Amino acid sequence: GAGVSQSPRYKVAKRGQDVALRCDPISGHVSLFWYQQALGQGPEFLTYFQNEAQLDKSGLPSDRFFAERPEGSVSTLKIQRTQQEDSAVYLCASIGLAGTSRSYNEQFFGPGTRLTVL
Amino acid sequence: GNSVTQMEGPVTLSEEAFLTINCTYTATGYPSLFWYVQYPGEGLQLLLKATKADDKGSNKGFEATYRKETTSFHLEKGSVQVSDSAVYFCALLKAAGNKLTFGGGTRVLVKP
Repeated sequence: GAGVSQSPRYKVAKRGQDVALRCDPISGHVSLFWYQQALGQGPEFLTYFQNEAQLDKSGLPSDRFFAERPEGSVSTLKIQRTQQEDSAVYLCASIGLAGTSRSYNEQFFGPGTRLTVL
Repeated sequence: GNSVTQMEGPVTLSEEAFLTINCTYTATGYPSLFWYVQYPGEGLQLLLKATKADDKGSNKGFEATYRKETTSFHLEKGSVQVSDSAVYFCALLKAAGNKLTFGGGTRVLVKP
C-alpha cells in the first residue's frame, strides 16, 4: 500500500552507538511528526516538520536527538551516543495538509521502529 | 499543560460483553479528541474522533461522546469480539502544531 513506512523495523544498538531511523511519509504529505513510545506507555511527541522546516522540536529529550527532512519528504531521526533509556518504539506520522487553528487532518502512523539499546 | 488520563488495563472480557474505557483530559480551550487503536504487530490507527463538545464519534461499533462538562471522552462498545483485542489510546489535539497528546493506553483482551 501507500502508507507511512519506517525502517528499520527493529534496531539493536550498543550503548554509545549512533543510530539513524528513517521515515517515508505518504507521498505528498506536508506535515510529518515523530513520537517516542516507551514500553507500556502512550506515544509522546518529539518533533514536527512542515515540508522541510522543523517547526517544533520541543519534545526532543536531549541534544543527542536530531531530526531532519531536507527535501520535505523523507525524514531521519538520529540519536547520538545512545543510552538505555532511549529504548522505545519510534513512530512517524504524516498528514496531508498543513494544520490550521480550526481544522484537523488525520495523522497516519507508520509501524514504528523498535530500538533496543543494550 | 495538556494531558490525557485513561483507565489502566488490562481489561479482560468475554465475547459479546460490553466494553467501556474511561478517558478524561486536561486542556485549555477546545481540543479535538480521538481514540486510536493498535492491533498486535500493527501501527496506530484512528478509530474515531470528535472535534467539538457533544459530538459523538463512532466507527466499527465503537462510540465516544465529547463531554466538555466532565472533560471526558469514554469509549464504549456494546458487544465486543475477539478481533477487538488491542491496545486503545485516547488522545487530544490542540490547535497549534497539531501534535497529539496521548493517554497511556488500555490493553483489551477479549476471550471467546
